[in-house]
Amino acid sequence: DQQVKQNSPSLSVQEGRISILNCDYTNSMFDYFLWYKKYPAEGPTFLISISSIKDKNEDGRFTVFLNKSAKHLSLHIVPSQPGDSAVYFCAASAGGGTSYGKLTFGQGTILTVHP
Amino acid sequence: GAVVSQHPSWVICKSGTSVKIECRSLDFQATTMFWYRQFPKQSLMLMATSNEGSKATYEQGVEKDKFLINHASLTLSTLTVTSAHPEDSSFYICSAESGTGLSAEQYFGPGTRLTVT
Repeated sequence: DQQVKQNSPSLSVQEGRISILNCDYTNSMFDYFLWYKKYPAEGPTFLISISSIKDKNEDGRFTVFLNKSAKHLSLHIVPSQPGDSAVYFCAASAGGGTSYGKLTFGQGTILTVHP
Repeated sequence: GAVVSQHPSWVICKSGTSVKIECRSLDFQATTMFWYRQFPKQSLMLMATSNEGSKATYEQGVEKDKFLINHASLTLSTLTVTSAHPEDSSFYICSAESGTGLSAEQYFGPGTRLTVT
């Protein structure tokens, strides 16, 4: 049972354009969501997070949107840069509004940004 | 930011042998550490939750007798893959939790690639 789903295995974007990565979840107990970036043979690195009490969180070029009613979140990267090329995982936690506790990951989306 | 290390970063072993992977939080104490496994083109799957001084909690489908987890101190958790087989070949990642409640953050190690021949 995949509780967190990233239905697009890959995304290709031109440099300077917007990248939109999507994530859906099924467990209504999830109350904290995170996006991680991962290079091959490395551990994930944290990008941005959002609590379920918010619908948007912005940090530089990265913005995460949360639609609780649709159980959907998305990560927007504007403008996209070639260095953003990596695998992006969304993760969810039922840790009381924090990343406390175990994380459930989506399958990941490979983002390729072309110069 | 907080740093989590893993050792070794890459290990090759023969089928039937055991391999120990260490996960250390270098500049903070972690009462809870998590072990994940990643197969090629697949997500990170949580294997177990490791709490300092107590037995690990394993996820459904993970053999606790095969994947031995020890969390002997607030900065070290170990994962031992016993009687390894080629299907255990994977990328193993640990994370360590800093703080509790609203201040909690998880930090990931760089991962260990295990190849069983």
